[in-house]
Amino acid sequence: KQEVTQIPAALSVPEGENLVLNCSFTDSAIYNLQWFRQDPGKGLTSLLLIQSSQREQTSGRLNASLDKSSGRSTLYIAASQPGDSATYLCAVNSGGYQKVTFGTGTKLQVIP
Amino acid sequence: GAVVSQHPSRVICKSGTSVKIECRSLDFQATTMFWYRQFPKQSLMLMATSNEGSKATYEQGVEKDKFLINHASLTLSTLTVTSAHPEDSSFYICSAFIPGHGGNTIYFGEGSWLTVV
Repeated sequence: KQEVTQIPAALSVPEGENLVLNCSFTDSAIYNLQWFRQDPGKGLTSLLLIQSSQREQTSGRLNASLDKSSGRSTLYIAASQPGDSATYLCAVNSGGYQKVTFGTGTKLQVIP
Repeated sequence: GAVVSQHPSRVICKSGTSVKIECRSLDFQATTMFWYRQFPKQSLMLMATSNEGSKATYEQGVEKDKFLINHASLTLSTLTVTSAHPEDSSFYICSAFIPGHGGNTIYFGEGSWLTVV
């Protein structure tokens, strides 16, 4: 059974700081991994999708890496802004294409 | 643009009533859709797998008579919360699996916030 863990559970940083969010998973036989953000009371917004054959994906100030062998992914946010404050979830797609397991999320607060 | 659309995004209903949430795949056919629920301060948990033309497969602990899932067409799956209670208040989200699309990607809807008063 796939288990996905995100550390830290909460993070508070001053504006402008670069930061890294971590996601680890127990079963390395994955198809892809996605990072989402969830704002309070809102839905999920897909940020980056990394296929199992890829090592990283970039979108603007966001960079996600994937190391399947070690069961880890990181989301790097450069020059953080208050608007980045949200909960970030990683979701691992494994187990016969259709099983997506979510991490518990990291709640990020960027202080102006 | 959105690949999966979910409606409504937010709904309030009275205790004892039923509420339906729709999940639509846009511009593609989804034979399989999934429904998730998010508990407070917990991760999103898979509730059931919705298969077009057949009965949904529910995860252990999910009441199938309370959470009715219908996947009558290749583009629409619905989740009906029957006889809703305040403890059913949660964030529900659907997803659709598209074989071979973007590397077997699963696309998520926007999610629906249900409040039972």
